[in-house]
Amino acid sequence: GENVEQHPSTLSVQEGDSAVIKCTYSDSASNYFPWYKQELGKGPQLIIDIRSNVGEKKDQRIAVTLNKTAKHFSLHITETQPEDSAVYFCAVDSGGGADGLTFGKGTHLIIQP
Amino acid sequence: DGGITQSPKYLFRKEGQNVTLSCEQNLNHDAMYWYRQDPGQGLRLIYYSQIVNDFQKGDIAEGYSVSREKKESFPLTVTSAQKNPTAFYLCASSATGGNGYTFGSGTRLTVV
Repeated sequence: GENVEQHPSTLSVQEGDSAVIKCTYSDSASNYFPWYKQELGKGPQLIIDIRSNVGEKKDQRIAVTLNKTAKHFSLHITETQPEDSAVYFCAVDSGGGADGLTFGKGTHLIIQP
Repeated sequence: DGGITQSPKYLFRKEGQNVTLSCEQNLNHDAMYWYRQDPGQGLRLIYYSQIVNDFQKGDIAEGYSVSREKKESFPLTVTSAQKNPTAFYLCASSATGGNGYTFGSGTRLTVV
């Protein structure tokens, strides 16, 4: 089955700096790569996603890049703000989503004032 | 507004007791999922259902059971066979052919 590795597990950055979280996956047939943000005591919320036919996607301060050859994708957050503090999960869909997304173990992003 | 509703938000279970977590969606999604979340473990798939009256085991189905009698509802029962049920449980749904998941707000289950 699919194996998803997410790094780092904790990331602390100064407010206004950029944050980068990286995930690697094992199944070269994987075709969909979403990122979720989870605030304390809440369910994850989809913040951005990318499909395998695209190399980069941007939405205001967040962007995702995909390297299919190396089988990794990254979340980039620029000009970080206190409300960006949360746990971020990457996920991979290996084929039609029949058995659910496979998630990374999460990154706790801490924005230092 | 469309969404997924999980209830209760907090649930306490005594040893040897079965408890049922509710998940209802009004998004007209065909697929529904149950995940368990433990600290440092990410999200692990318990059960999923693609259509009414059909469901499959995920990675950690032992000690859990589900039903899918209606498209809108996918309740999860945590049985007494689940020896370590204390966790945060998340329900999600997605449209057929779509990959994006919508999550509920979760149920925190604690054994007392």
